Amino acid sequence: EIVLTQSPATLSLSPGERATLSCRASQSVSSYLAWYQQKPGQAPRLLIYDASNRATGIPARFSGSGSGTDFTLTISSLEPEDFAVYYCQQRSNWRGTFGPGTKVDIK
Amino acid sequence: EVQLVETGGGLIQPGGSLRLSCAASGFTVSSNYMSWVRQAPGKGLEWVSVIYSGGSTYYADSVKGRFTISRDNSKNTLYLQMNSLRAEDTAVYYCARVLAARYFDYWGQGTLVTVSS
Repeated sequence: EIVLTQSPATLSLSPGERATLSCRASQSVSSYLAWYQQKPGQAPRLLIYDASNRATGIPARFSGSGSGTDFTLTISSLEPEDFAVYYCQQRSNWRGTFGPGTKVDIK
Repeated sequence: EVQLVETGGGLIQPGGSLRLSCAASGFTVSSNYMSWVRQAPGKGLEWVSVIYSGGSTYYADSVKGRFTISRDNSKNTLYLQMNSLRAEDTAVYYCARVLAARYFDYWGQGTLVTVSS
C-alpha cells in the first residue's frame, strides 16, 4: 500500500503570501496525484489532478507540480477564502489513499 | 448541474446496520465509477469503497466483509450497506464521483453516522 505524507502539518501565513505545500509518496505514483481543499463543515473540493492539471473552475493562483514521489501544491497569493485544510490523494490498484492534510491558517 | 445528495445517516448501536443512499443528478451513476469516502470527527479523509461502471466493487480493509456498495440504475442512486457497525465507523460519509478512474471530482454534502450505545 502506498502511503502519502504531507508537510508541514500547519502553515501559518498572511493573505497575499505564497503557500507551498508538500506531499511525498512512499513509492512512485508517476503523475497520478490530486490535491483537495476542505473548509470546515464542507465537503472536499478537487483542485488539481494528474499532479498539475487544475480542475474545472479552480483559480490560476493554484498550481501543482511534481512526479514520482515528490509533489507540491503552490498558492501564489493567498486569498482570505484559501485558509483551509489541503489533502493530497492517489489511487493504486483499486485503493484510493489520502495524505493526512496540511492546515493553512491565518498568521 | 452535477449534484450528489446523501441520506440515511444517524445514531446506531454497535453491531447494528445502516444503509446510506446517494441520489445523483446531472449525470448517470451507472456510467461512472462511484466511491464512498469517510471522515471521522476531527480527522482526515479515508477512502471506503468504489464501484466501477462495469459493476466490480472494492473495499478498504477496514470495512471489507461488513460494508457493501451497490447502485440502482433506475433510481440513479448509489448505496452503502453497513453491517456489524463499530464505534470506529463513526464518521461523515461522503459519496463522490470518480474522475479518470482515480480522483473524486464531485462530492455530496455528507451524512453523519454515529455508532454508540
